[in-house]
Amino acid sequence: GAVVSQHPSWVICKSGTSVKIECRSLDFQATTMFWYRQFPKQSLMLMATSNEGSKATYEQGVEKDKFLINHASLTLSTLTVTSAHPEDSSFYICSASTSSEQFFGPGTRLTVL
Amino acid sequence: KQEVTQIPAALSVPEGENLVLNCSFTDSAIYNLQWFRQDPGKGLTSLLLIQSSQREQTSGRLNASLDKSSGRSTLYIAASQPGDSATYLCAVVMGGSQGNLIFGKGTKLSVKP
Repeated sequence: GAVVSQHPSWVICKSGTSVKIECRSLDFQATTMFWYRQFPKQSLMLMATSNEGSKATYEQGVEKDKFLINHASLTLSTLTVTSAHPEDSSFYICSASTSSEQFFGPGTRLTVL
Repeated sequence: KQEVTQIPAALSVPEGENLVLNCSFTDSAIYNLQWFRQDPGKGLTSLLLIQSSQREQTSGRLNASLDKSSGRSTLYIAASQPGDSATYLCAVVMGGSQGNLIFGKGTKLSVKP
């Protein structure tokens, strides 16, 4: 149990395009989902906390208008990177929270050319 | 501000050796601490979760200890195998089970056959 999926697993796009990443909890309902990103040789850093049915809470330095988060249901959250640029290239990982633990998705590798 | 540090950054050992990975955190008011494994380009696999009231957790060849007052945790791996080669991440949760994880940069372990 407690499986979290992400789609796509990798994506390559041109600068200026938008990319949507989906995060799904497959066998449980998650009232809270988290979005992290990891640059090479760096630790995972929280980008935003997403609660179902409400606006996401963004960490300092993360542009909410650039990284759009939608948490429409208890099993799905989406992260849209708008007008992506090469510096947005990173590994994006989501997690879904139960009452006691977070479970992580397999991650999405984004490369912006 | 909570900071999580992992030492060493990288470790190479011959197969069969027992080893210890270290994690320290600056703010002892944690809710729980979790050890993860991350394979290259992949998501996270949870290894052990220690609640703030616990001193240690064991799973197979893995044993994690927590000394909350001194802000330290160790991950002990017995009889290491080449398949254990990965990056091991330590993360703490502040302020309740719905809080975000704060990660260290990880220890990259290489077990040589």
